[in-house]
Amino acid sequence: KNQVEQSPQSLIILEGKNCTLQCNYTVSPFSNLRWYKQDTGRGPVSLTIMTFSENTKSNGRYTATLDADTKQSSLHITASQLSDSASYICVVRSTFGNEKLTFGTGTRLTIIP
Amino acid sequence: ETGVTQTPRHLVMGMTNKKSLKCEQHLGHNAMYWYKQSAKKPLELMFVYNFKEQTENNSVPSRFSPECPNSSHLFLHLHTLQPEDSALYLCASSQGTGGADGNQPQHFGDGTRLSIL
Repeated sequence: KNQVEQSPQSLIILEGKNCTLQCNYTVSPFSNLRWYKQDTGRGPVSLTIMTFSENTKSNGRYTATLDADTKQSSLHITASQLSDSASYICVVRSTFGNEKLTFGTGTRLTIIP
Repeated sequence: ETGVTQTPRHLVMGMTNKKSLKCEQHLGHNAMYWYKQSAKKPLELMFVYNFKEQTENNSVPSRFSPECPNSSHLFLHLHTLQPEDSALYLCASSQGTGGADGNQPQHFGDGTRLSIL
């Protein structure tokens, strides 16, 4: 069964600090891995999409890594800001089927001043 | 401004009511989706439409009835809902669903918060 597991479930850090969120998956066959940011009361917004051949991708202060061999991804946030407080959702797409996405339950990140 | 607009943002209804959720996308996308988001659970895909044709129904109860009159609009008609249907309903769109389009992100609306009394 395809699964995406994220850790930690929640995280609280001080403003200005760095943090790393983890995503492990068992989806096969693999197509791509996505990270979304979801602010409270809003819909998810795409941060990055990584295919099999990409092992690092940055979007401003967000850097995602992918290890397709171990089926792990991480999202690193540098110099955190209060606006980074949100849920971060890892999503893995399978090539089996027309549109097959498996969603993680997300990591709830809180930045405190 | 996400390019995907959902109305209403909040909806409270009784179990015997009939209501509809509306989604409109201004991105020129060909695929549209309905998702259910419940607390502490992953997003659940409900329906997928590609070029106005339904391509996936993820075993959704018949009390949820989707309608896609064109590639820009998507509706979710609700009737005789149950309390466990209370959730955030998200609409999304993407360029397509397969091939190279599968490497494009989905764009989400801000959802309709549905409460069933």
